[in-house]
Amino acid sequence: AQRVTQPEKLLSVFKGAPVELKCNYSYSGSPELFWYVQYSRQRLQLLLRHISRESIKGFTADLNKGETSFHLKKPFAQEEDSAMYYCALSGTISGNTPLVFGKGTRLSVIA
Amino acid sequence: DGGITQSPKYLFRKEGQNVTLSCEQNLNHDAMYWYRQDPGQGLRLIYYSQIVNDFQKGDIAEGYSVSREKKESFPLTVTSAQKNPTAFYLCASSSGRLNTEAFFGQGTRLTVV
Repeated sequence: AQRVTQPEKLLSVFKGAPVELKCNYSYSGSPELFWYVQYSRQRLQLLLRHISRESIKGFTADLNKGETSFHLKKPFAQEEDSAMYYCALSGTISGNTPLVFGKGTRLSVIA
Repeated sequence: DGGITQSPKYLFRKEGQNVTLSCEQNLNHDAMYWYRQDPGQGLRLIYYSQIVNDFQKGDIAEGYSVSREKKESFPLTVTSAQKNPTAFYLCASSSGRLNTEAFFGQGTRLTVV
């Protein structure tokens, strides 16, 4: 079964401090992993996906298959990063499957 | 303006009544999804459809029903059998191919009064 775990409900950091939002997954095949973000009063949107290996808004995430993790990192937090962040997994064993989401982590960046 | 649209934004229902939430997309996406979002629970999958006239139950399908008669539309009916229907409902769509982005609607907040 697919499962995504985000251990922190709330993460508060000061502006300019490093940020790491944790995500661990459980999946027997080769997963596709994503981070989605929901800013206040905006719709849920894709932040980044592991296959792209890109940096979006200063955020990066590396898939570590040994640790089954996909932590989201940013070296210097900004106030505008305050939002709800969801890690999500899509399985590939039996074709494309719907996204399975973690419970989310609310990031609060303090000025 | 391309995208995915949910309506209404707010919906009130009396106990014992069925209610239908609308979801329309003009992105030419094959796959559509319904999620329920509760505080501290993340997003939980209710139903999904990968092609017209076909749909599958998600993790919490009990008390809900869907139809997919057109590619653009995937309405969700919350029936009186749903024990705790008050929640925020999100509809999403994607091309259905591997590793593609899912696009979300703005959501419908359903309140049972």
